[in-house]
Amino acid sequence: LAKTTQPISMDSYEGQEVNITCSHNNIATNDYITWYQQFPSQGPRFIIQGYKTKVTNEVASLFIPADRKSSTLSLPRVSLSDTAVYYCLVGENSGYALNFGKGTSLLVTP
Amino acid sequence: GAGVSQSPSNKVTEKGKDVELRCDPISGHTALYWYRQSLGQGLEFLIYFQGNSAPDKSGLPSDRFSAERTGGSVSTLTIQRTQQEDSAVYLCASSTATGLNQPQHFGDGTRLSIL
Repeated sequence: LAKTTQPISMDSYEGQEVNITCSHNNIATNDYITWYQQFPSQGPRFIIQGYKTKVTNEVASLFIPADRKSSTLSLPRVSLSDTAVYYCLVGENSGYALNFGKGTSLLVTP
Repeated sequence: GAGVSQSPSNKVTEKGKDVELRCDPISGHTALYWYRQSLGQGLEFLIYFQGNSAPDKSGLPSDRFSAERTGGSVSTLTIQRTQQEDSAVYLCASSTATGLNQPQHFGDGTRLSIL
């Protein structure tokens, strides 16, 4: 699995847009980029997945530049309930073991 | 619809005892995964099942750990002769098929505390 690097923590105020960038310099051709969200005392929850360019769903957007060596998870107008740990994972679709690092701990305050 | 269910939600036991943790995956999901999460850490992959078979057991930390899945559904993770370092949250996930492009759906875990 490709190694990923993301900030340990981020702070934001309610209503702001939050962008969390993940670096994955050794991403392989067949690798997908997937983001999960984890609240305290809960299991991780799938947020979004992409391969290239931009993907948007009702929760977030994922921006992937042409070289795919990084990706940015964008959360529009965050609320207090978006306080969680966000994990970036990269791997090929034939794999199975999700390699979660420590993720990015996002704290949203009023 | 029903998600992944794990039981018990909390388990406290004495060192040296055996424990069984149960996972009920989402109906129809053929792939099932076990992870372990220590306090403040990321998730550590333990084992996965495709149907009732476990092609890769290399993530299990020691031979005290074992897992089985029957009927392509419920899975049990067993830890024998528990040690204090086994204390962690044990998470189960399922997906429609293996492959990292298949989102994994997680339960809320079993918090295991070894006294």
